[in-house]
Amino acid sequence: DIVMTQSPDSLAVSLGERATINCKSSQSVLFSSNNKNYLAWYQQRPGQAPKLLIYWASTRESGVPDRFSGSGSGTDFTLTISSLQAEDVAVYYCQQYYTTPGGLTFGGGTKVEIK
Amino acid sequence: EVQLVESGGVVIQPGGSLRLSCAASGFTFDDYAMHWVRQAPGKGLEWVSLITLDGGRTYYADSVKGRFTISRDNSANSLFLQMNSLRPEDTAFYFCVKDMGAIVPTSILDSWGQGTLVTVSS
Repeated sequence: DIVMTQSPDSLAVSLGERATINCKSSQSVLFSSNNKNYLAWYQQRPGQAPKLLIYWASTRESGVPDRFSGSGSGTDFTLTISSLQAEDVAVYYCQQYYTTPGGLTFGGGTKVEIK
Repeated sequence: EVQLVESGGVVIQPGGSLRLSCAASGFTFDDYAMHWVRQAPGKGLEWVSLITLDGGRTYYADSVKGRFTISRDNSANSLFLQMNSLRPEDTAFYFCVKDMGAIVPTSILDSWGQGTLVTVSS
């Protein structure tokens, strides 16, 4: 299995400031034949189901605000919230789908709070 | 608008069996692979199972292989998870999830239901 490790476990950021979440995979999730990173990010607000934010490491899902961005390649990835809003309080998860079909794995999650 | 509504979650004793259902609407159900993902209360996400659009191929996490069976009824726009030999560690919210890829699964999980809680306890 590909193990996904997120850091930090939690962070507190002031409104309007930048939040950065890291995700590291135990092996590369870059598929050489199409040069795509098989990495997605999800947001789970309190009491809600997860919501897809970003896929292919940096492609924003339709309707996701542009303050959310994803970057990275191979084994190291970052989710950045450029200017934190109150509605961004949530747990964020990375997920690899390099092993598709099946064998999907998630990071442990990063809880984002307001400072 | 995509809607996925799970049902069937209950409190059940260890060793018991349970069938979860998911009613899908707002998209062409038989064009998409579907998944089950679970989340123990207060914990992270764990992928459980995938079924292709025609039900011809199924995939499972090692933790449930041989005990759980995923299936679908495309005529009824429904997804199912048969859970046998349940263990306390199967206690979780179970989410029905749509795959982003039409025809070919991508395993990008683009629409989620609200989940149904299964509690395995004596």
